[in-house]
Amino acid sequence: EPEVTQTPSHQVTQMGQEVILRCVPISNHLYFYWYRQILGQKVEFLVSFYNNEISEKSEIFDDQFSVERPDGSNFTLKIRSTKLEDSAMYFCASKGAETSTDTQYFGPGTRLTVL
Amino acid sequence: GESVGLHLPTLSVQEGDNSIINCAYSNSASDYFIWYKQESGKGPQFIIDIRSNMDKRQGQRVTVLLNKTVKHLSLQIAATQPGDSAVYFCADHTGTASKLTFGTGTRLQVTL
Repeated sequence: EPEVTQTPSHQVTQMGQEVILRCVPISNHLYFYWYRQILGQKVEFLVSFYNNEISEKSEIFDDQFSVERPDGSNFTLKIRSTKLEDSAMYFCASKGAETSTDTQYFGPGTRLTVL
Repeated sequence: GESVGLHLPTLSVQEGDNSIINCAYSNSASDYFIWYKQESGKGPQFIIDIRSNMDKRQGQRVTVLLNKTVKHLSLQIAATQPGDSAVYFCADHTGTASKLTFGTGTRLQVTL
């Protein structure tokens, strides 16, 4: 069964450093998302991406964040200058174009630890 | 602001019993609802979904009920098994490509 994959599973970085989190969505999906989950809290939306542009973003997704689909398979989240409060699990999700379903399928996540 | 929320943070049930996890939502424009299961250290896993034009949907051992009058959603798990132990989230959205809004989650503990 197709699934969303994410790398790395765990990323440790120093405050102020740049990180890139990588995702490979399900191959025929057209809608892509990033969410984050701070330890013990609920999953929060960051950004959605469709047709090579951001379609919606949350207040969390400020100028330090950016997303890119550099090729036909990868979808990346870049944090330009990490802060301590960026420590969280980051989940990528994707959705197909079928109008019969709106289900977003999630990857296993990347645990980001900012020291 | 409007949000999706859960009533019970932790639910403990015996193996073999039925489980009911509840969720209240406040966005009357929501047209699609999903239940996700999240095991420790993993991403949310799709369980079942329901559209706002339905009030009940059944899957394998799971049933989702939607009461639009009181804006209430529930997940019923029949014959709960130890493998069902996880945190369960309800989520909703409006429109095709829009974000999911997650509730705070309910931890289901299955005792032997």
